[in-house]
Amino acid sequence: AQSVTQPDIHITVSEGASLELRCNYSYGATPYLFWYVQSPGQGLQLLLKYFSGDTLVQGIKGFEAEFKRSQSSFNLRKPSVHWSDAAEYFCAVVSSGNTGKLIFGQGTTLQVKP
Amino acid sequence: NAGVMQNPRHLVRRRGQEARLRCSPMKGHSHVYWYRQLPEEGLKFMVYLQKENIIDESGMPKERFSAEFPKEGPSILRIQQVVRGDSAAYFCASSPTGGPQEQYFGPGTRLTVT
Repeated sequence: AQSVTQPDIHITVSEGASLELRCNYSYGATPYLFWYVQSPGQGLQLLLKYFSGDTLVQGIKGFEAEFKRSQSSFNLRKPSVHWSDAAEYFCAVVSSGNTGKLIFGQGTTLQVKP
Repeated sequence: NAGVMQNPRHLVRRRGQEARLRCSPMKGHSHVYWYRQLPEEGLKFMVYLQKENIIDESGMPKERFSAEFPKEGPSILRIQQVVRGDSAAYFCASSPTGGPQEQYFGPGTRLTVT
């Protein structure tokens, strides 16, 4: 069965430090992958997506992610974290079939220290 | 262009009552997805609808839950005879077509069952 794993439930980084959030997926074919961010009490905002092509994807707010097929990973990175980046981050893959429904990871909560 | 609208944002129901959650997709979007986020968990797919059709309800609990997306008006997620375990955030997402593509999420409805 398809699945998405985000191994880190909570991560704390200092403001200005670099960030990497891990995401591993299980999927037979070429996956369609997303990273979403959720601020407290809010809905989900798309940060970036990978469908095909260049494996390094640029997103909003200075985020990027790299698709590595050999490692079944799609890790999210940011070179310098801002306090406003504190939120919950979800990695998702489109389920097989043609409905487009998403399978989400458990989420990673990011805390930013001043 | 208004985003995905959900109402109410917060809903409190006593056990045994009915809950109705509404979702108005973005203008021009005719595909709606409902997801549920239980406390401390990621989002789980519930149902996928197009106008007047349920396409995939594989994530819906077998009893008490139903969904519709009429020709006119919002999509409705209905929960009959709510129980404490239904307390969760329910998110609606829309897209212009089905299949693998970005989904635009609403702010969610937070249901509390007392």
